[in-house]
Amino acid sequence: AQSVTQLDSHVSVSEGTPVLLRCNYSSSYSPSLFWYVQHPNKGLQLLLKYTSAATLVKGINGFEAEFKKSETSFHLTKPSAHMSDAAEYFCVVIHSGGGADGLTFGKGTHLIIQP
Amino acid sequence: DAGVIQSPRHEVTEMGQEVTLRCKPISGHDYLFWYRQTMMRGLELLIYFNNNVPIDDSGMPEDRFSAKMPNASFSTLKIQPSEPRDSAVYFCASSPDSSTDTQYFGPGTRLTVL
Repeated sequence: AQSVTQLDSHVSVSEGTPVLLRCNYSSSYSPSLFWYVQHPNKGLQLLLKYTSAATLVKGINGFEAEFKKSETSFHLTKPSAHMSDAAEYFCVVIHSGGGADGLTFGKGTHLIIQP
Repeated sequence: DAGVIQSPRHEVTEMGQEVTLRCKPISGHDYLFWYRQTMMRGLELLIYFNNNVPIDDSGMPEDRFSAKMPNASFSTLKIQPSEPRDSAVYFCASSPDSSTDTQYFGPGTRLTVL
């Protein structure tokens, strides 16, 4: 079985300061890992994904994430927050077996940007 | 491409009524997924299709829920009879190549069952 834990349900930062959204996973297989963003009343949009290539993955809007196998983590970071980053962020793990059991979403982290 | 299209965007119905949610995936995508999102349970995968064939429906909550994909450009999720606990946002997503590939989400249907 696999699982995804987003360690913070809410994160609040000031505009212009760094963002760190934490994600830990467990998987019996070599996983693919994703971060999605959901703006209010919108569907989810892919930010970035890791699929066993480079461990540091760069995504859209200045976000990046580093896959650390030894720590089973895939934390999302951004050097400088912007007001438009305020949204819900989901960490997703998919193992190669696929199927409903092979795809697991985290509970989400609500990112709040203070002016 | 217009992206994944879902209709209706909002649906309000009374308990016991039949509800049909519709989805048009991105053209050329072989995989289609149905999700439900609630505050309590987060995002749950209900069912997914590959080339119009249901592959895994283990996430479907109960027999009141059914999903079909009669062709590559259309899928429905039906709830009959609906119950207040079915109130949620239902998302459809499509993926080009595999169940492990990037998924493209529709805007969702917000369902309220009174």
